[in-house]
Amino acid sequence: GAVVSQHPSRVICKSGTSVKIECRSLDFQATTMFWYRQFPKQSLMLMATSNEGSKATYEQGVEKDKFLINHASLTLSTLTVTSAHPEDSSFYICSASWAPNTEAFFGQGTRLTVV
Amino acid sequence: DQQVKQNSPSLSVQEGRISILNCDYTNSMFDYFLWYKKYPAEGPTFLISISSIKDKNEDGRFTVFLNKSAKHLSLHIVPSQPGDSAVYFCAAYGGSNYKLTFGKGTLLTVNP
Repeated sequence: GAVVSQHPSRVICKSGTSVKIECRSLDFQATTMFWYRQFPKQSLMLMATSNEGSKATYEQGVEKDKFLINHASLTLSTLTVTSAHPEDSSFYICSASWAPNTEAFFGQGTRLTVV
Repeated sequence: DQQVKQNSPSLSVQEGRISILNCDYTNSMFDYFLWYKKYPAEGPTFLISISSIKDKNEDGRFTVFLNKSAKHLSLHIVPSQPGDSAVYFCAAYGGSNYKLTFGKGTLLTVNP
């Protein structure tokens, strides 16, 4: 199946710094990618839809200025957590599909810990 | 407002027996359904899907059943194996968009 690669898999950063997470579709072009966040023992929460060449669409309650999304090419989307705080510590996952109503392929996830 | 519901947070099954994971949805616009399996600290992996024009889809040990009138789907795993122990998420697409709506997941434990 298609491969979506996410990097890094784990990152620890200091409070107040910014962290960038990359999501790449390795063998297909993805005009749309999605960023999710998972809290312990909870479901995947959609944060935003990343659209190639245009602004991301954020879900209600997600701060645009805090979670910056850039989708500069058909195979790469980045999520930057700006001015990170301990409450931003979480598991972040990206996904990509090549067409509507097809299975979404997920990255391996990034465990972010803000200390 | 949860549009995809997995009411059982956990399920425990003996190896070799059948595992049945259930999922209910409320949005009648959903027309494509998927099941994902997730291990801790990893991204979900796709298992099986079903379109709303079908009522059953089978792939090896995995079968998904869809009851549109009841807005209910289920995943059957038979025979269950210890390696199947994971969290299973039900997800749905509505209309022609890419957005997946997930249930909260069910933790399946298959005991040897």
